[in-house]
Amino acid sequence: KNQVEQSPQSLIILEGKNCTLQCNYTVSPFSNLRWYKQDTGRGPVSLTIMTFSENTKSNGRYTATLDADTKQSSLHITASQLSDSASYICVARGYSTLTFGKGTMLLVSP
Amino acid sequence: DAGITQSPRYKITETGRQVTLMCHQTWSHSYMFWYRQDLGHGLRLIYYSAAADITDKGEVPDGYVVSRSKTENFPLTLESATRSQTSVYFCASSESRESYNEQFFGPGTRLTVL
Repeated sequence: KNQVEQSPQSLIILEGKNCTLQCNYTVSPFSNLRWYKQDTGRGPVSLTIMTFSENTKSNGRYTATLDADTKQSSLHITASQLSDSASYICVARGYSTLTFGKGTMLLVSP
Repeated sequence: DAGITQSPRYKITETGRQVTLMCHQTWSHSYMFWYRQDLGHGLRLIYYSAAADITDKGEVPDGYVVSRSKTENFPLTLESATRSQTSVYFCASSESRESYNEQFFGPGTRLTVL
């Protein structure tokens, strides 16, 4: 069964600090992995997509990594801002399936 | 405004009533999706549509009905609402089923069934 596990479930950090969110997936065959940001009361918005041949991809202060061998991805946020407070959802795509993680709730405190 | 919209944004109804959630997109995307989001479950696919008049079940379709007579609209109907259908519902669209294609989500409808 395809699964996506995210950790931690929730996280509180101080503004300006860095943090890393984890995503482990068991999706086969694997096509790509996408990270979404979901602000409170809004729909998810794509941050980045990683295919099996990509190791690292950056989008501003967000850097995603993918290790297709260990089936792990991470999302690193640098110099956090209050606006980074949101839920971050990892989504792994198989041949014809999308498997969503439950998300990590990040709170950036002033 | 261009994009994907949902209405209503908030809805309170009673057990047994029929309720329809609306979804409209202006991109002419072929694919449209309905998800529900509950604490502890993340996003779960209810139904999806590949084109007008083509719909298919997702992971949790029971108690829901969809239709797609026009490409831009994809309404979701709860024929007889139950308390377990209290949730936040998201509509999404994507250009095609190609694996690289991003799904664009609407703002969501918070539904409470009393």
